[in-house]
Amino acid sequence: DAKTTQPTSMDCAEGRAANLPCNHSTISGNEYVYWYRQIHSQGPQYIIHGLKNNETNEMASLIITEDRKSSTLILPHATLRDTAVYYCIVYRGSTLGRLYFGRGTQLTVWP
Amino acid sequence: DTAVSQTPKYLVTQMGNDKSIKCEQNLGHDTMYWYKQDSKKFLKIMFSYNNKELIINETVPNRFSPKSPDKAHLNLHINSLELGDSAVYFCASSQGALYGYTFGSGTRLTVV
Repeated sequence: DAKTTQPTSMDCAEGRAANLPCNHSTISGNEYVYWYRQIHSQGPQYIIHGLKNNETNEMASLIITEDRKSSTLILPHATLRDTAVYYCIVYRGSTLGRLYFGRGTQLTVWP
Repeated sequence: DTAVSQTPKYLVTQMGNDKSIKCEQNLGHDTMYWYKQDSKKFLKIMFSYNNKELIINETVPNRFSPKSPDKAHLNLHINSLELGDSAVYFCASSQGALYGYTFGSGTRLTVV
């Protein structure tokens, strides 16, 4: 599975959009981009995933560039409860696949 | 109501002891996993089971033995505990490889 690069930390004001970038320049055609987050002392939480097209759900939007070498997770109106470590993961999605978690981005939302 | 539940939440034990962590999911998922999060916060997959069959064993020492009595349960038994086994262990489940994983709240194991 391809590796990802994310900033170590980011800040965001409450109520503003949080845009979390991820680079995955070695992604291959059958690999998906997944986003998870881990709020302190809790288990990781699935947010969203996509292959080529942009995706949106009740939690976030995922924007994938046309060449698929990078993506951005958007939390449209960040709240204090969105403070967490956000993981961008590239994953083939096969039964034998492994969901590898890197360092992620520590997002801190300020009041 | 809880989707993936782990017990116990905290476990403190002495070196050399044998302990078990239990995991149950009520989501009807086919696949279950064990992950280990060490003190540096890296999350690493340990095992994956699909319909009670071992699919992935990520070079985990054989002191760690997962057991899946049925599709809804995946327990982790650890023999001869070592200091380095201290970590948070997370159980997870998924409906299929392409679906998101649902994680439990973790078991914090401390070996003294």
